[in-house]
Amino acid sequence: EVQLVQSGAEVKKPGESLKISCKGSGYSFTTYWIGWVRQMPGKGLEWMGIIYPGDSDTRYNQSFKGQVTISADKSISTAYLQWSSLKASDTATYYCTRRPPGRDGYNFDDYWGQGTLVTVSS
Amino acid sequence: EIVMTQSPATLSVSPGERATLSCRASQSVSSNLAWYQQKLGQAPRLLIYGASTRATGIPARFSGSGSGTEFTLTISSLQSEDFAVYYCQQYSNWPPGTFGPGTKVDIK
Repeated sequence: EVQLVQSGAEVKKPGESLKISCKGSGYSFTTYWIGWVRQMPGKGLEWMGIIYPGDSDTRYNQSFKGQVTISADKSISTAYLQWSSLKASDTATYYCTRRPPGRDGYNFDDYWGQGTLVTVSS
Repeated sequence: EIVMTQSPATLSVSPGERATLSCRASQSVSSNLAWYQQKLGQAPRLLIYGASTRATGIPARFSGSGSGTEFTLTISSLQSEDFAVYYCQQYSNWPPGTFGPGTKVDIK
């Protein structure tokens, strides 16, 4: 069974750093892209970027480039999303997704993690 | 950047009725269009990809159609568990994951 299990909810202060995780199981982690999607409270879905764990090829939506870092450790089948300095506007639920291989990352998201709620407040 | 729009923003439907949701892309995405369902407090779930192919385990009452810039998701006979928000997503052009703003299907 394919599963993406994300780390738990976080409460942080502005300016703090954070790294959340997404562990894949039930499939070959290195041959599927992993994506990250933001959902701000009461709002829609925003595609942030993707990484191919096999070679760490990473692509960002321009809106998020420089604001977050996407990485992966294929030895433990885990992808990460990190911030070096959080802002209140980063408060959102973040989902990791799996993208089928091929088409150089241009694909739909067939499995989703359960989401990680990040709250940034002073 | 491709802009996705969805209509209507909210659709009020009685159980057992048919629901028709629309999605439009600002430029052609061929058939590289997916639909997702998100229930309150849950992660989105893939319903349709390639504009018309149902994902694994998705009931036959869900169907997708269209190509180019105009797409439709039809739920033939709404069940209580179908009341949710539905998003379309294009994966044809950069950035490959642009979502529409969503259509909320609620109980009439």
